[in-house]
Amino acid sequence: DAKTTQPTSMDCAEGRAANLPCNHSTISGNEYVYWYRQIHSQGPQYIIHGLKNNETNEMASLIITEDRKSSTLILPHATLRDTAVYYCIVRNTGNQFYFGTGTSLTVIP
Amino acid sequence: KAGVTQTPRYLIKTRGQQVTLSCSPISGHRSVSWYQQTPGQGLQFLFEYFSETQRNKGNFPGRFSGRQFSNSRSEMNVSTLELGDSALYLCASSYGTSGSQETQYFGPGTRLLVL
Repeated sequence: DAKTTQPTSMDCAEGRAANLPCNHSTISGNEYVYWYRQIHSQGPQYIIHGLKNNETNEMASLIITEDRKSSTLILPHATLRDTAVYYCIVRNTGNQFYFGTGTSLTVIP
Repeated sequence: KAGVTQTPRYLIKTRGQQVTLSCSPISGHRSVSWYQQTPGQGLQFLFEYFSETQRNKGNFPGRFSGRQFSNSRSEMNVSTLELGDSALYLCASSYGTSGSQETQYFGPGTRLLVL
């Protein structure tokens, strides 16, 4: 699986958009980008995934650059409950995820 | 649809003992993957079972084993427990048939403390 690089931590004001970047420069053509988040000591929660097109669901938007070497997860209106560790994962055809260290997002009141 | 369930949620064992953890996947899911999460190593893949067969395996010693039953429920066993086995053990389920475009859904985890 391609390696991902994320900032260790980020802060975001409550009500503002949180933009979480991820670099995956070695991604290959059939590898999907997944985002999960983990609130302290709970199981990771699926957020969104995509291959090359931008994706949006009720939780977030995923913007993937045209060369697919980086992506950004956008939480449009961050709330205190969005404080968590966010993992960006690039996944190949195997049915397993390799989690990196993730980004610890703190939403500030 | 009910989510992934794991039992027990918390467990305390002593060194040398063995432990069995259980995971019930989402109805209809045939793939169950297990992960270990520790503060030092993060989330690490243990193994995956699909249709009662181990399909993928991570880099863990043979003390860690698993199995899957015909109803897709899975158990994970750790023998001869060591202090370093203290961790949150997570299982995740998916349909298991669509490769990399298939989402895995995680359970709440079992917190194991080895004394």
